[in-house]
Amino acid sequence: AQSVTQPDIHITVSEGASLELRCNYSYGATPYLFWYVQSPGQGLQLLLKYFSGDTLVQGIKGFEAEFKRSQSSFNLRKPSVHWSDAAEYFCAVGVLNDKIIFGKGTRLHILP
Amino acid sequence: DSGVTQTPKHLITATGQRVTLRCSPRSGDLSVYWYQQSLDQGLQFLIHYYNGEERAKGNILERFSAQQFPDLHSELNLSSLELGDSALYFCASSIAGTEQFFGPGTRLTVL
Repeated sequence: AQSVTQPDIHITVSEGASLELRCNYSYGATPYLFWYVQSPGQGLQLLLKYFSGDTLVQGIKGFEAEFKRSQSSFNLRKPSVHWSDAAEYFCAVGVLNDKIIFGKGTRLHILP
Repeated sequence: DSGVTQTPKHLITATGQRVTLRCSPRSGDLSVYWYQQSLDQGLQFLIHYYNGEERAKGNILERFSAQQFPDLHSELNLSSLELGDSALYFCASSIAGTEQFFGPGTRLTVL
């Protein structure tokens, strides 16, 4: 069955530090992969997506993610976080019939 | 602003009641998805409509139903409400097969 695992429920980093959020997926075919961000009380906003081609994808707000087929991973990175990046981040995989399966999310806390 | 609108923003009601949540997709998007987000269950896919037709069902209770109208807006009907139905309900839209764009959500509180 298709699934998405985000192993870290909470992550805390200092402002200006680098960030990596982990995501592993289980899906038999070539996946569509997404990262969404949700600020408190808000809807989900698409950060970036991978459909095919270059395995390093760039997104909005300075985020990037790398698709590694051999590791079934799609980790999200940012070289230097800002206090405004504090939010919940969801990794997701697109499967048949346009369904998207979301991970449980990782809540990012930023230390000043 | 994703271009997806949801009304109402907040809804407070009592157990046993029925409510209707409304969603207008982005212009040109034929697909509408409904999700429920709660603290214990996370983000759960409920149902997907494409151009008026139901395409996929997820963890949607029998007390819940949805439809998509000819103008492509969608409504999610929740009946015989229970305390456990309190959650954020999101609508998303997409051009088929691509990323989904989420609305701001409706926060439902059942007292």
